[in-house]
Amino acid sequence: GAGVSQTPSNKVTEKGKYVELRCDPISGHTALYWYRQSLGQGPEFLIYFQGTGAADDSGLPNDRFFAVRPEGSVSTLKIQRTERGDSAVYLCASSSGTGDINEQFFGPGTRLTVL
Amino acid sequence: DAKTTQPPSMDCAEGRAANLPCNHSTISGNEYVYWYRQIHSQGPQYIIHGLKNNETNEMASLIITEDRKSSTLILPHATLRDTAVYYCIVRVAWAGATNKLIFGTGTLLAVQP
Repeated sequence: GAGVSQTPSNKVTEKGKYVELRCDPISGHTALYWYRQSLGQGPEFLIYFQGTGAADDSGLPNDRFFAVRPEGSVSTLKIQRTERGDSAVYLCASSSGTGDINEQFFGPGTRLTVL
Repeated sequence: DAKTTQPPSMDCAEGRAANLPCNHSTISGNEYVYWYRQIHSQGPQYIIHGLKNNETNEMASLIITEDRKSSTLILPHATLRDTAVYYCIVRVAWAGATNKLIFGTGTLLAVQP
């Protein structure tokens, strides 16, 4: 079946602009995660959705970052007034949200470059 | 979640077993050990997890010491496609938890032909 997809695969923007990154999770997965990965580092947790609600947004770096999942499926990560330090690969993952395994399935990521 | 320590890099000859160590000396009784890997330009991929017993699946084996302070991921016959960064992660895993993954910098395994 289809895995997690993310669009766009690459996004180049200018400092100060607004961007939206989209994640399509595996069908039926109730849990959805956003991570950010800088060069040479492991992924860093941003936010976790269970269904439509953000159950844990403790990883969002500041109020320029916001994410939604209005129907409990597709999620959009929104970044306002982008800064050069926001440049990174943004990864989305989903899981079935049941059981102790909670294996997370990752998408290929969106590479964001802020000029 | 407990912190893990892994060597930054390792080499392995193709066809040989790759043994990747991980120290997690502050692990709590309710924390599992998870392994993920990330092949270049791809998202991380789940490999295996365990609590205290050794585990084996089609990808790898996980050996956890009796005191649970360290573990080893074993790829029994490494291939060039196993070249990746391997992450050892410890976390609680229950239905009510966030279950977020806290990644370190991992071990870059380079499988040599």
